[in-house]
Amino acid sequence: AQSVTQPDIHITVSEGASLELRCNYSYGATPYLFWYVQSPGQGLQLLLKYFSGDTLVQGIKGFEAEFKRSQSSFNLRKPSVHWSDAAEYFCAVGRSGYSTLTFGKGTMLLVSP
Amino acid sequence: NAGVTQTPKFQVLKTGQSMTLQCAQDMNHEYMSWYRQDPGMGLRLIHYSVGAGITDQGEVPNGYNVSRSTTEDFPLRLLSAAPSQTSVYFCASRLQNYNEQFFGPGTRLTVL
Repeated sequence: AQSVTQPDIHITVSEGASLELRCNYSYGATPYLFWYVQSPGQGLQLLLKYFSGDTLVQGIKGFEAEFKRSQSSFNLRKPSVHWSDAAEYFCAVGRSGYSTLTFGKGTMLLVSP
Repeated sequence: NAGVTQTPKFQVLKTGQSMTLQCAQDMNHEYMSWYRQDPGMGLRLIHYSVGAGITDQGEVPNGYNVSRSTTEDFPLRLLSAAPSQTSVYFCASRLQNYNEQFFGPGTRLTVL
């Protein structure tokens, strides 16, 4: 069975500083990988996804993520965080032909002035 | 397109009551899923469907029933609500051959 680990429950970053959120997955074949963001009281919005090809993927709102097969990781990055980025971030994994996604437990991002 | 819609947005039940959470999508997606979200637990799959008339259990199916009589609708039924079912419920859908899932806005359920 596939699984997703987000090691950091909370992260605090100063506004303007860089951000990296970690995601590790467990799955035998090449997974389909996703990052979602959830603002308080809102639904989930897709930030970016990796299916195949270039291992560095660009998403919305200036986010990017890099798929590293050797490390079973799909870390999310942003060069300069804005106060509006404060939210909860979820990494998720699926497989080719999958019916559903498996989600990590989420990382809450706090942005300090 | 309205995308994935869920009703109601908020609901309070008493223990033992039953209710149905509604989910509809207008994108002609074959796959639909129900998740529950609890603090520190991420999203956990309750039930899913790969097409009309076909449903299957996810990670946490106990206490919930589903059916899929049409492509558009995928209701989630709580037969006898329990406080442990207090959660935020999300419905999602996607095309069979396209892997991005689209989520509804969620239903916040409180069981007293």
